[in-house]
Amino acid sequence: GAGVSQSPSNKVTEKGKDVELRCDPISGHTALYWYRQRLGQGLEFLIYFQGNSAPDKSGLPSDRFSAERTGESVSTLTIQRTQQEDSAVYLCASSLATSGGAEDTQYFGPGTRLTVL
Amino acid sequence: DQQVKQNSPSLSVQEGRISILNCDYTNSMFDYFLWYKKYPAEGPTFLISISSIKDKNEDGRFTVFLNKSAKHLSLHIVPSQPGDSAVYFCAASAWPNYKLTFGKGTLLTVNP
Repeated sequence: GAGVSQSPSNKVTEKGKDVELRCDPISGHTALYWYRQRLGQGLEFLIYFQGNSAPDKSGLPSDRFSAERTGESVSTLTIQRTQQEDSAVYLCASSLATSGGAEDTQYFGPGTRLTVL
Repeated sequence: DQQVKQNSPSLSVQEGRISILNCDYTNSMFDYFLWYKKYPAEGPTFLISISSIKDKNEDGRFTVFLNKSAKHLSLHIVPSQPGDSAVYFCAASAWPNYKLTFGKGTLLTVNP
């Protein structure tokens, strides 16, 4: 079946502009995650959505970052007034979350490479 | 501070030999550990995992070993194949376990 898809695959923007990144999770997956990977670093957790529960936003680095999810489908990550340090690959993942625990495998999309000039 | 460390940025092995990738962690609350594999321009894909109640988990050519007292885990690939060439990320989580903490990755190159 179809995996997690993300768009755009690449985004180049100027400092100070807003950007919106999109994630389409695997159909039927109730949990959705956003991570980012800066150059030479590991993936950093940003935010977690699970069904209708309040999202865990503890990984968002500043109030310029926000994310929304409509039901159990598409999610958008918005970065306002982008800065050069926001340049990274932004990865989305989804999972079934049937157990809600450790064995709930996260399936990643290919990511959006964001470059802020 | 970096809670999951992969101290070897790269590793090169011959086809057919064993590949050993290492990972250290500092957070004693971590109770679940995973390895992900990543090819260029693709997202990471889950490879194998281990719970802290075990010290070994095996899946085909892949075995993960966990040494809790040393806060160390390793991934063994045997025999290594050229298609295994990729970046391998170690990840860990603590309850409620949905938030993964990743290392920086190790680039494995398997030479034919």
